[in-house]
Amino acid sequence: SYVLTQPPSVSVAPGKTARITCGGNNIGSKSVHWYQQKPGQAPVLVIYYDSDRPSGIPERFSGSNSGNTAILSISRVEAGDEADYYCQVWDSSSDHHVFGTGTKVTVL
Amino acid sequence: EVQLVESGGGLVQPGGSLRLSCVASGFTFSRYVMSWVRQAPGKGLEWVSGISGSGGSTYYADSVKGRFTISRDNSKNTLYLQMNSLRAEDTAVYYCANDGGWYFELWGRGTLVTVSS
Repeated sequence: SYVLTQPPSVSVAPGKTARITCGGNNIGSKSVHWYQQKPGQAPVLVIYYDSDRPSGIPERFSGSNSGNTAILSISRVEAGDEADYYCQVWDSSSDHHVFGTGTKVTVL
Repeated sequence: EVQLVESGGGLVQPGGSLRLSCVASGFTFSRYVMSWVRQAPGKGLEWVSGISGSGGSTYYADSVKGRFTISRDNSKNTLYLQMNSLRAEDTAVYYCANDGGWYFELWGRGTLVTVSS
């Protein structure tokens, strides 16, 4: 089955840029989607199709995808960005959605 | 208002059964693939099952295949998950989600299922 690997945690100072990686075999050939989840809340879609932002998501959130790594970038990080972030793909070989292991972003 | 509202969670003994429901509003339910996604306490997200807009195609994670059954009633804008032979490792918050084709654009608040004796 397809596996997506994320770092367990990322720490970033306010105003700086956080980069969260999502590794998978030839992930660049797939569409990657990203979710933000705050404690006690449902996930929220923040990036879809590698780099598109849903309405209402700040431009500070951006994404890229190439080779074996997809990246979610959060620029000018704010305290309110502190959350867990998950990447996700549709694996057509198994007809399964696959989530990454999740990354906790801490704002210092 | 566009929303999904889950219900049906609770405490059940190992080997027992439970049926979850998810009522959709504010969008054309029958046009969308729908999925169930779960999250065990303190753990990450796990996709459980999906169903096409017509209900004609269903998909299951290996961990629940043969035990869980997904279905929908488009006349009632409702998604279901019948869970049988429940195990302790099925304990989780279960979310229903509007599957935009490849991603989940709308989520419910979730319903907690606890499998314990």
